[in-house]
Amino acid sequence: QVQLQQSGAELAKPGSSVKISCKASGYTFTSYYISWIKQTTGQGLEYIGYINTGSGGTNYNEKFKGKATLTVDKSSSTAFMQLSSLTPDDSAVYYCARGNILWVWWGQGTLVTVSS
Amino acid sequence: DIQMTQSPASLSASLGETVSIECLASEDIYNNLAWYQQKPGKSPQLLIYYASSLQDGVPSRFSGSGSGTQYSLKINSLESEDAATYFCLQDSEYPYTFGAGTKLELK
Repeated sequence: QVQLQQSGAELAKPGSSVKISCKASGYTFTSYYISWIKQTTGQGLEYIGYINTGSGGTNYNEKFKGKATLTVDKSSSTAFMQLSSLTPDDSAVYYCARGNILWVWWGQGTLVTVSS
Repeated sequence: DIQMTQSPASLSASLGETVSIECLASEDIYNNLAWYQQKPGKSPQLLIYYASSLQDGVPSRFSGSGSGTQYSLKINSLESEDAATYFCLQDSEYPYTFGAGTKLELK
């Protein structure tokens, strides 16, 4: 069955970067985009953007341009999101989801905590 | 960006009751509205898409309606498993935007 397995929780220092992975299985990876969503208690859910897993083309929410970088490795059916220049405001649970719309399949979420 | 105003923020209801949750978009989203359910520690689950289409496997006590800028999710005959937070999402225009969520508590 379809699964999106995300990497584990990250504890990072302000100013550093983290790279979260989302490994897909149970379907043809390049047939669906991967979208990324941020969830915090304060700001709720925010759409970060998506990546075309076939071409590598991306679409970012303006708010996350320069903060998030989406990439894929087709050989391992894995999507990645790198978050750079981390601040405490980047502390959140980050989800990947299959498709650029109608997100039926989600990863389990990756908790990123930014603290000195 | 399209703003999604969701109400109420929280709701308490008894088993068997019917509840409604509303989402108001800042502009016409042409029925491009989805509803998600999220339980603590879990990922969101798609309930309704295109305002009123029930996702496969979702109980028929869930229904969605609306048009233009106003949309609602109705849950009939509440069951204990319906205790969760519900979010609306507009996928009419990038960037997609979510409502702030409604936390449903069962009495």
